[in-house]
Formats: sequence, structure tokens, C-alpha cells
Amino acid sequence: QTVVTQEPSLTVSPGGTVTLTCASSTGAVTSGYYPNWFQQKPGQAPRTLIYSTSNKHSWTPARFSGSLLGGKAALTLSGVQPEDEADYYCLLYYSGAWVFGGGTKLTVL
Amino acid sequence: QVQLVQSGAEVKKPGASVKVSCKASGYTFTTYAMHWVRQAPGQRLEWMGYLNAGNGNTRYSQKFQGRVTITRDTSASTAYMELSSLRSEDTAIYYCARGYLELDYWGQGTLVTVSS
Repeated sequence: QTVVTQEPSLTVSPGGTVTLTCASSTGAVTSGYYPNWFQQKPGQAPRTLIYSTSNKHSWTPARFSGSLLGGKAALTLSGVQPEDEADYYCLLYYSGAWVFGGGTKLTVL
Repeated sequence: QVQLVQSGAEVKKPGASVKVSCKASGYTFTTYAMHWVRQAPGQRLEWMGYLNAGNGNTRYSQKFQGRVTITRDTSASTAYMELSSLRSEDTAIYYCARGYLELDYWGQGTLVTVSS
């Protein structure tokens, strides 16, 4: 049973920078896991931010960036805005199947 | 513009089956895959499986293997997810999402409630 682990919660001040990570129980996350990152606000469907590690969609704000960091996938928010308060999920690819992380609740305070 | 419109909320009894639809528009249906993801109340997102809308091939999460079936009607640009042998733990919002190695567009979600 593959497990994908994220920080349960993080707090950041407005204007600050925060990095969320996504680890795999199978070992280091590489580009071959095609990490995706999603933002979800209460009562809404998830919104896709990042795909294939670091690629942004047309609607992804410039302050969001994706990378690989220390064997994990990472999502960095630079210049955090109050509206960035949300749950964030990563998704990893395992040879035809996908597994979501447990999600990170980001508080902007 | 790309849109995925899902069918309405369902209430089912334990042991029954549910079939949720996802109608796509704004792109060529057969050139993308369609994933199904669910989210129980207050819980994480959970990947259930996906369908290659071009050739109909499917891949399911081991957790749902044997209980879930994803199909499509290309003439209607619609994907379907059927979940059988429902139990209370299957109460969740079910989403469809388009894409192969990225899930870019999502449906609005369909609430399925399993209750006796």
C-alpha cells in the first residue's frame, strides 16, 4: 500500500513564503512521478495549480511554483495572499495508478 | 471553453449501486483521459480510476477494484462511473477530472449519500 505524505498543517504570514512537500513511501520522488498540485477551498471542487513537477496552467498565479526538493515534490508560495488559505493536495503517478497525499491545510495568519 | 458537467445528487441504500455521469464539452472527448476522484466528508481526495476516452481502456485503484466500473459513450461525450455494493463509507462527493499526466479541468462534483 503506497502512502503519500504531506504536512498536515502549515501557517504563514501574509506576504511570506512557504513550502509544502509531498513524500512517497516508495522512496525519492522524481519527475517520473509527474507530481500534480491542487488547491481546494471549502465547498469547492479542487483547482489544479501545477502538473508534471513544475508546469503551471494558464490560471495558476505566478506566486505558485513547483519543484523537487530533497527527494520530495514541493510547492512553494512566494508572497502569500490571504486568499491562498486553503487545503493543498499533491498527486503522484505510480505506473498507471495515482495516489493523493493526505493534504496540507494552509493557514494565512 | 472546457466544461465537465456531472449528474445530480443521489441517495442510495447499502448494497445498491450508483452510476454518475460526466458530460464533457469544449474539446474533443476522445483525445483525453477521464479520472474519477472522491472525497468523503472532511477527508482527503481519493483517486478511484481513469478511462482512456479514446480506446476505452481503464485502470482502477486497488482499493476499488471489483466494485468500480468506468465507461464512456463517445457519441454523447460522456463518461460514467458506477460503484456497486455501496456501504455507508462510500458517502462522498465524486468528481470527474480530465487529463492524462495532469488533471486540469474538474467537474462540479456529485454527492452520493448511502443510508438505510
